[in-house]
Amino acid sequence: DQQVKQNSPSLSVQEGRISILNCDYTNSMFDYFLWYKKYPAEGPTFLISISSIKDKNEDGRFTVFLNKSAKHLSLHIVPSQPGDSAVYFCAASGSSNTGKLIFGQGTTLQVKP
Amino acid sequence: NAGVMQNPRHLVRRRGQEARLRCSPMKGHSHVYWYRQLPEEGLKFMVYLQKENIIDESGMPKERFSAEFPKEGPSILRIQQVVRGDSAAYFCASSPQGATNEKLFFGSGTQLSVL
Repeated sequence: DQQVKQNSPSLSVQEGRISILNCDYTNSMFDYFLWYKKYPAEGPTFLISISSIKDKNEDGRFTVFLNKSAKHLSLHIVPSQPGDSAVYFCAASGSSNTGKLIFGQGTTLQVKP
Repeated sequence: NAGVMQNPRHLVRRRGQEARLRCSPMKGHSHVYWYRQLPEEGLKFMVYLQKENIIDESGMPKERFSAEFPKEGPSILRIQQVVRGDSAAYFCASSPQGATNEKLFFGSGTQLSVL
């Protein structure tokens, strides 16, 4: 039962262009969503989050959009840089009264110089 | 550096041996989460602990796996009688309050290889 899904295993974009990573969820109890970035042989690092009461949150080059009716969120990176090349995980919480996060399968982003 | 510390980084065990993975949370954090990442998959929740208590172990396999977070010392994830299918990266994360709107801080993980 995959409650958080990232249907694109990989994405390749040119440096300077926009990267758009997508995530879908099924559990309407989720009320907090996060994006993590992961390099090989390292742990995930927090990137940006959004509460279900908002539909957009922006932090520098990173913007997360939430569409609750479609149970869909996306991460926009603009402009993309080669250092952004990593695996990006979408995560959600709120289905229980703990801080447990449910992760998607991840999308590998490659930004070409 | 007060980040989440995991050790060892790499652990090799033969089938049937025991594996012990350690995690020290960030300073001031009393909530610890363990996740497992199998090859080509995302991170799967295993267990959530607060000092001396297991709060949620819904992701733990029913047999051979156990976790603890004693009053003093690191959290331990213990796998008895390891099998090849246990080979994975195990990540520990911590948070200050265990609230639903908190981000988790992750360690660098322990890569377990079972021969």
